[in-house]
Amino acid sequence: EVQLVESGGGLVQPGGSLRLSCAASGFTFSSYWMSWVRQAPGKGLEWVANIKQDGSEKYYVDSVKGRFTISRDNAKNSLYLQMNSLRAEDTAVYYCARPLAAIAFDIWGQGTMVTVSS
Amino acid sequence: SYVLTQPPSVSVAPGKTARITCGGNYIGTTSVHWYQQKPGQAPVLVIYYDSDRPSGIPERFSGSNSGNTATLTISRVEAGDEADYYCQVWDTTSDHVVFGGGTKLTVL
Repeated sequence: EVQLVESGGGLVQPGGSLRLSCAASGFTFSSYWMSWVRQAPGKGLEWVANIKQDGSEKYYVDSVKGRFTISRDNAKNSLYLQMNSLRAEDTAVYYCARPLAAIAFDIWGQGTMVTVSS
Repeated sequence: SYVLTQPPSVSVAPGKTARITCGGNYIGTTSVHWYQQKPGQAPVLVIYYDSDRPSGIPERFSGSNSGNTATLTISRVEAGDEADYYCQVWDTTSDHVVFGGGTKLTVL
């Protein structure tokens, strides 16, 4: 079964850091771009970042550039999101997602909640 | 940056046809994807590349894209179709993924 499972969410103070992980199974992880998408409480979906199969290309939404870093370990079938200098507006459910060509997300994880609050 | 505009809400009676629009500048020149999201659940891809359906998605779901508007059409609407629907494109000029604001479909 194709599956993505996120972990690492929690409560963090403004200015703090958190690292999210996404474990992939059921498909050849190293053959796909991978992405993070978030959703603030009661709000819509917002794309966060993409990473190429070999990690050589990374793209970010402007609001997280310089603060978040997407990375992957193909040997461990895992995707990561290092989040630094967190702000209240980063509070959201963070989804790991697998994009097809032209970036259609066909597989999503269940999400992990990140709350930034003092 | 590229902007996708969706109506906040659409209401439809059971058995009727729901149409949810997604407006964007020259959107007809790019591929549009649609997602269904029910409360407390992750989004599900229901239409990709304007009009293709993933396996397991009922034929009642269809899509079209032309000019400045893409449309998700749900025929013979059922109570279980009540959800939020999002359109999405990949803006190749910026290499950014863009989502519409979402449309809440209410089945009366």
